[in-house]
Amino acid sequence: AQTVTQSQPEMSVQEAETVTLSCTYDTSESDYYLFWYKQPPSRQMILVIRQEAYKQQNATENRFSVNFQKAAKSFSLKISDSQLGDAAMYFCAYNRYRDDKIIFGKGTRLHILP
Amino acid sequence: DSGVTQTPKHLITATGQRVTLRCSPRSGDLSVYWYQQSLDQGLQFLIQYYNGEERAKGNILERFSAQQFPDLHSELNLSSLELGDSALYFCASSPSRADYTFGSGTRLTVV
Repeated sequence: AQTVTQSQPEMSVQEAETVTLSCTYDTSESDYYLFWYKQPPSRQMILVIRQEAYKQQNATENRFSVNFQKAAKSFSLKISDSQLGDAAMYFCAYNRYRDDKIIFGKGTRLHILP
Repeated sequence: DSGVTQTPKHLITATGQRVTLRCSPRSGDLSVYWYQQSLDQGLQFLIQYYNGEERAKGNILERFSAQQFPDLHSELNLSSLELGDSALYFCASSPSRADYTFGSGTRLTVV
């Protein structure tokens, strides 16, 4: 069965600094998607970034980038120039091509220190 | 506004009762997914419907059921409620794989 593990329940970072959130996953599939979702206090689930497993190039969205290591089954999220609005719960998620459902990790709560 | 509408936003009910949560997907999206988020937990997949048909089922309790109607809106029915059913219930819709939009959720409190 596919699993997604986020080993850091909570993290803190100083405003304007860079922080990296870790995620590992377990799968026997070769084709799949990986996601990072942000859940702010408003509780809305917001897509931060998406990576397709067949693409070797790491996805980037403005201040957010990932380090995708397929062989190691690792998918970390780097947030540069952290802003107060980045404070939220971040979920790593996996979706295999043969399924439509998403499997989520338990999340990392990110605090931004002013 | 994500385009996925969930009602009600909050619901407080007593143990043993039955409730219905409603989800209207984004215009044109044929797939609807239901997820449960308990305290300090990630989101757990419950069930998926595609164009009115059940497509996939996760760890959904027998006390829970869902359906998708011809207009593509979906309802999640929770019955014989227990304290442990208190959670945030999310609906998501999708036109295709890996393109999901989540609603803002329904906060269910069972007292």
